[in-house]
Amino acid sequence: DQQVKQNSPSLSVQEGRISILNCDYTNSMFDYFLWYKKYPAEGPTFLISISSIKDKNEDGRFTVFLNKSAKHLSLHIVPSQPGDSAVYFCAASRGTGNQFYFGTGTSLTVIP
Amino acid sequence: DAGITQSPRHKVTETGTPVTLRCHQTENHRYMYWYRQDPGHGLRLIHYSYGVKDTDKGEVSDGYSVSRSKTEDFLLTLESATSSQTSVYFCAIRDRTSGGYYEQYFGPGTRLTVT
Repeated sequence: DQQVKQNSPSLSVQEGRISILNCDYTNSMFDYFLWYKKYPAEGPTFLISISSIKDKNEDGRFTVFLNKSAKHLSLHIVPSQPGDSAVYFCAASRGTGNQFYFGTGTSLTVIP
Repeated sequence: DAGITQSPRHKVTETGTPVTLRCHQTENHRYMYWYRQDPGHGLRLIHYSYGVKDTDKGEVSDGYSVSRSKTEDFLLTLESATSSQTSVYFCAIRDRTSGGYYEQYFGPGTRLTVT
């Protein structure tokens, strides 16, 4: 049973525009959420995170929004750049953080 | 850079042969993880370790075993490889943030092909 879902397998955006990647979760016990970026032939790299006590976290061009009532989070990239083209994974954990639950990923293509 | 290396980076093996993948970390992290990544499935946890000789199963542990005899090394073994185990395998460690939460950092991956 997939506890973290990314329902859009792919997304294409023009360079300079906003990219919005979405993620839904089912377990209300999750209290920490993470986004990872993955280039081909490399391991996932940590991008940004948010705890359940916040509804927004920004880091440069990247902002993550959390809507706990809807069990939904989104990653906004503004402005999008060709180097942002990668697969993005959403992940969640709870409490002691022994395990992390990943979505299936969204492949972002930023068109120059 | 969390100081994680994986070996080998690529391997081709035949069905029925044993295979061992190695993950090595240099920063004394207590928790280590093995994931597999497959199209349409994302990252799925195979096994994880919370200390030397302490391991637990993940969601896709069938056909895999692990061992951790030293803090820095976490081994994943396929006792008798099958074609369904063709995948990219990632090792990860867990690190604590300044806010008291935990994040994972990944190695570069091992691409395994079982023919």
